[in-house]
Amino acid sequence: KAGVTQTPRYLIKTRGQQVTLSCSPISGHRSVSWYQQTPGQGLQFLFEYFSETQRNKGNFPGRFSGRQFSNSRSEMNVSTLELGDSALYLCASSLAGGGNYTFGSGTRLTVV
Amino acid sequence: EDKVVQSPLSLVVHEGDTVTLNCSYEVTNFRSLLWYKQEKKAPTFLFMLTSSGIEKKSGRLSSILDKKELFSILNITATQTGDSAVYLCAVEYRNTGNQFYFGTGTSLTVIP
Repeated sequence: KAGVTQTPRYLIKTRGQQVTLSCSPISGHRSVSWYQQTPGQGLQFLFEYFSETQRNKGNFPGRFSGRQFSNSRSEMNVSTLELGDSALYLCASSLAGGGNYTFGSGTRLTVV
Repeated sequence: EDKVVQSPLSLVVHEGDTVTLNCSYEVTNFRSLLWYKQEKKAPTFLFMLTSSGIEKKSGRLSSILDKKELFSILNITATQTGDSAVYLCAVEYRNTGNQFYFGTGTSLTVIP
């Protein structure tokens, strides 16, 4: 079966712009989580969605937002981009949240 | 403050060596501890541990959890160059949904 698909794979944006990243979970998975990975901080939790509702949110500013659609696909939006937002953004899905998450290959965002 | 700490940060070994990676945690409402292997982008699931003292094993890899001392180890025997990767430890805790704290990882390099 298809894995977790993230698009685009790479993205270059300038400061002040906004960006939308997409994540299609494994078919049947209803929980989608987003993580930011940087060399210094490791993986940091952004938020988790389950059945179109945000269940959890990490300690990120309000510029980071997300949503989940009825087909469980999820999008993440970052507004007013800053240089420090440059990172690998990973999405992970599971059946109902918790336990064994399957990760996508990520979107590499570079802010210049 | 909840945290997950992995050690060592990096490790270089020769093929055939045995390595032990450590993960200690201080997380309230602990639910499970997971190990992932990250080679390029997408972390891939290795083990999920919920009970103390029960070893999980998969080929040359094994892992065990100590919930009293709040740590886990991941052992890799007879290492191969294909084991070169970053190994991530994640602790799942129950909030309103499910959420993970990740360690910053141990970078393992296996040289021929």
